[in-house]
Amino acid sequence: QVQLVQSGAEVKKPGASVKVSCKISGHTLTELSMHWVRQAPGKGLQWMGGFNPEEGQTVYAEHFKGRVTMPEDTFTDTAYMELSSLTYDDTAVYYCVKVRVGATNAFDIWGQGTLVTVSS
Amino acid sequence: QSALAQPGSVSGSPGQSITISCTGTISDIGAYKYVSWYQQHPGRAPKLLIFDFSNRPSGVSYRFSASKSGNTASLTISGLQPEDEADYYCSSYTTSGTTVFGGGTKVTVL
Repeated sequence: QVQLVQSGAEVKKPGASVKVSCKISGHTLTELSMHWVRQAPGKGLQWMGGFNPEEGQTVYAEHFKGRVTMPEDTFTDTAYMELSSLTYDDTAVYYCVKVRVGATNAFDIWGQGTLVTVSS
Repeated sequence: QSALAQPGSVSGSPGQSITISCTGTISDIGAYKYVSWYQQHPGRAPKLLIFDFSNRPSGVSYRFSASKSGNTASLTISGLQPEDEADYYCSSYTTSGTTVFGGGTKVTVL
């Protein structure tokens, strides 16, 4: 059974960057497609980006282009999400999610979430 | 990419059936079968209920069913139960190779 364990909560100042990690257990990262989704307090889900097997590369939501990267370390089976130039609007819970094998766009396993607070 | 349109709230009495709509465009819901639905209880991570617009993962109750017609997808909860009170989100793959979520629907069991 695949499990996703994320790094702990972060507090950052406006303009700073944050890097959230997502450790995968129960499977090797190279065989999975990982994405990131965030949820601001009291708001809905917002897709940030993830690996698209059809395109063979990571695809990012237009809203975050130029400001987010999603590197992966296949040696440690850990996915990362790094978001730069933080503003107060980036305060949210950030989830790493796994795409269901054989499906497209279906996120069947979710990490526990990492709260990122942007505060001066 | 604009969010898919969902009603803000839907309510029903125990045992009733309710339906949540999710309206997109020809560039997302209308283009593919890749529509998913998620259930989220307060303080919890979302849970996948439906994938490929009508398929239930193992372990998801048969009371959850879904369909798609044109640019609109729908989730029906039959035999409404108190534990069904939660937020529900649809999502779709898009012609840009991205994913878009709906704004979410709060389901209240009266």
